[in-house]
Amino acid sequence: QKEVEQNSGPLSVPEGAIASLNCTYSDRGSQSFFWYRQYSGKSPELIMFIYSNGDKEDGRFTAQLNKASQYVSLLIRDSQPSDSATYLCAVKGAGSYQLTFGKGTKLSVIP
Amino acid sequence: GAVVSQHPSRVICKSGTSVKIECRSLDFQATTMFWYRQFPKQSLMLMATSNEGSKATYEQGVEKDKFLINHASLTLSTLTVTSAHPEDSSFYICSAVLAGGPRETQYFGPGTRLLVL
Repeated sequence: QKEVEQNSGPLSVPEGAIASLNCTYSDRGSQSFFWYRQYSGKSPELIMFIYSNGDKEDGRFTAQLNKASQYVSLLIRDSQPSDSATYLCAVKGAGSYQLTFGKGTKLSVIP
Repeated sequence: GAVVSQHPSRVICKSGTSVKIECRSLDFQATTMFWYRQFPKQSLMLMATSNEGSKATYEQGVEKDKFLINHASLTLSTLTVTSAHPEDSSFYICSAVLAGGPRETQYFGPGTRLLVL
């Protein structure tokens, strides 16, 4: 059974701070890792994907992957109130398009 | 690019009726689409994998005769909730895989909110 674990939160950070969202996964064969943002009542929106160990930066977002520890994280710099949402970590294995989703971490950025 | 649409965005129906939801990839071809259901304050639950030109693959516990999926073209998949009941009220979201795209990313439609009275 493939599992993706996330702290459900809520994670509260002040505006301008760095928000750190964490995710662990159970399947060592996982190859690609995705972060989606979901606003209340809306569908998920892709933020970033990563598949190599290390960091990947895109604007205020940095994804970090450590396959040995089966750990992936998302850092949001200069957090804004508009970043307040639920962040879903998703993992894809080899030979399939299917994603296994975590339950999401609710982030609240306080003005 | 990679835009996925769903129609309708919201539907209210009487118990016992059938509801069809369309999922379209607008600017790319998708051989594979997924259908998810999400109840309030819960995560996405995969219902089925829809493959163009073949039968859908349903997840355990999802009734294939109740949730009919047709993937007739590379840009359209439909989900029909047959004989809907109040417990089927949920947020239904489709996604489409951009084959050959970055790590075969799934792009989500905006979702369809179904309320069965």
